[in-house]
Amino acid sequence: DVKVTQSSRYLVKRTGEKVFLECVQDMDHENMFWYRQDPGLGLRLIYFSYDVKMKEKGDIPEGYSVSREKKERFSLILESASTNQTSMYLCASSFLDRGVSYEQYFGPGTRLTVT
Amino acid sequence: AQTVTQSQPEMSVQEAETVTLSCTYDTSENNYYLFWYKQPPSRQMILVIRQEAYKQQNATENRFSVNFQKAAKSFSLKISDSQLGDTAMYFCAFMKRNTGNQFYFGTGTSLTVIP
Repeated sequence: DVKVTQSSRYLVKRTGEKVFLECVQDMDHENMFWYRQDPGLGLRLIYFSYDVKMKEKGDIPEGYSVSREKKERFSLILESASTNQTSMYLCASSFLDRGVSYEQYFGPGTRLTVT
Repeated sequence: AQTVTQSQPEMSVQEAETVTLSCTYDTSENNYYLFWYKQPPSRQMILVIRQEAYKQQNATENRFSVNFQKAAKSFSLKISDSQLGDTAMYFCAFMKRNTGNQFYFGTGTSLTVIP
């Protein structure tokens, strides 16, 4: 079974802090994704990566950055946390086959609260 | 851009009954995938069912089946013999083939199965 793990289930940070959210997958997937989930808005894509050191902006990249130094690990960075970044953050990964991704596998999520 | 609409924020169903969750999408693409994901109260998202747009036959997975109407851009999920474990948030998602990267999610339907 594919396993996607996230470093924390719950996180509380103060406004202005730098925050790191870590995601690791164990299935050698090429693609990795970061979403935020808010009630009534569904999942919105922040960033994704299709290879080591490669990244692409999603729909809401402002205030976030990412890092992918190793294939299995994808980090989301909040450079200066703000209260409007309080949310559930979901990491996902998927297999790239002949240029076509298949279903995404999700981690358990990190509930981030910024006070 | 692709949009995915789930018009039912909340639904409920009696145990053992059948329920249908609706999803519509807007795209100019002809080649794409559609997914239903389930997110139980424990928050881990899991894939329920997948449909390739080029296949006319509706996908089924045990008690879960879809009604895929390509011309109408409709992709509803039917859950038969509902069980208490089906209580969850359900998300419809669209993936454009050949980009290999981005999913577009609906806002979700919260389903409660009543004993």
